[in-house]
Amino acid sequence: QVQLQESGPGLVKPSETLSLTCSVSGVSISNNYWSWIRQSPGKRLEWIGYIFYTYTGSTTYNPSLKGRVTISVDASKNQISLRLGSVTTADTAVYYCAKGAEPPQYWGQGTLVTVSS
Amino acid sequence: DIQMTQSPSTLSASVGDRVTITCRASHIINNWLAWYQQKPGKAPRLLIYKASNLQSGVPARFSGSGSGTEFTLTISSLQPDDFATYYCQQYHTYGTFGQGTKVEIK
Repeated sequence: QVQLQESGPGLVKPSETLSLTCSVSGVSISNNYWSWIRQSPGKRLEWIGYIFYTYTGSTTYNPSLKGRVTISVDASKNQISLRLGSVTTADTAVYYCAKGAEPPQYWGQGTLVTVSS
Repeated sequence: DIQMTQSPSTLSASVGDRVTITCRASHIINNWLAWYQQKPGKAPRLLIYKASNLQSGVPARFSGSGSGTEFTLTISSLQPDDFATYYCQQYHTYGTFGQGTKVEIK
């Protein structure tokens, strides 16, 4: 049974970098797609990007995030990471990791990140 | 960018009703469309992929149809567990979600 658990700071200051981790159990990280999606307080869902991990990771990102985003894998820990730089209050959202990409199939419970000084 | 527009935004219905939600894409996306159900405080749950394929474990009262730019999600007989918000997502070019349709009790 696939289980995904997001974790990370719940509060980030404007202009800093948001860093989240998704711990995966029940399935191997390798040879699978892993996605990040976020949902703003207004409930709109926004696709952030995904990674396909073999021995290296092939990534695809939402162009609207303008190079601020990096998704990576730590296979030794069975974790996927999200980094989003230069955050503003518009990046306040619940962040979800998910297994699969087209489309994301199994989602974690999500973690709320608030950007505020 | 491909924009996704759902209608209606809110739908009031009763148990046993047949319910249809529409999703329109701003560009042709073939059948690269998914439908999700979300309940308050929970993550979205995948219902339908590739426009009409039922995800494993999803009740058969849910069905999807369409291709190109217009798609529908149908619930054949609404059950109490189905009151939720539904989202479509295109994954033809990156991924874009619709704004959601809330199905509420009439």
